[in-house]
Amino acid sequence: KAGVTQTPRYLIKTRGQQVTLSCSPISGHRSVSWYQQTPGQGLQFLFEYFSETQRNKGNFPGRFSGRQFSNSRSEMNVSTLELGDSALYLCASSGGQGSSSYEQYFGPGTRLTVT
Amino acid sequence: ELKVEQNPLFLSMQEGKNYTIYCNYSTTSDRLYWYRQDPGKSLESLFVLLSNGAVKQEGRLMASLDTKARLSTLHITAAVHDLSATYFCAVDDVKSGGYQLIWGAGTKLIIKP
Repeated sequence: KAGVTQTPRYLIKTRGQQVTLSCSPISGHRSVSWYQQTPGQGLQFLFEYFSETQRNKGNFPGRFSGRQFSNSRSEMNVSTLELGDSALYLCASSGGQGSSSYEQYFGPGTRLTVT
Repeated sequence: ELKVEQNPLFLSMQEGKNYTIYCNYSTTSDRLYWYRQDPGKSLESLFVLLSNGAVKQEGRLMASLDTKARLSTLHITAAVHDLSATYFCAVDDVKSGGYQLIWGAGTKLIIKP
């Protein structure tokens, strides 16, 4: 079974621009969560989508948004980029069966650099 | 607000020694996770602990959960160099359905040959 995939893997943007990151979950998984990882703030929860609906949301400004499609693929968008948005953005999928139903499986991440 | 504290944040040890990483959290939760991260890489799931008294073991790693004390431990037995990594614990802060993991700061573990 293929794992979680994220595209692009690396991205360089300029302040003020916007960016869209994509995540394809493991086949059959319906929940997709997004996390931001920075050296200063560590790992922080952004939001979670399930069946095309945002189910949970972290404490991030409205510049951060996301969506999920009917095939469970998810995108997150950051508008008006700031230097502080430079981070590793991780996507996780979950929703397996049985004992693995609570596991969150992470993709390789997208490294965003804002200059 | 749920807070998760890990200690120590940095640990340097010799191969063959035993050590324990501690993860304390501030409010009740149904799920606690342990992950491993190698430099420049993503997160690898180690354990999911779902109930009080849960204990899981994989190789030289053993994790346990005490929900009354709001404490989880990750015990490393007879450490080997390959276990060098950063270890994170995370607690689910979801009140009703879904996932919202709150993370500890991570423990950077260096195991010297």
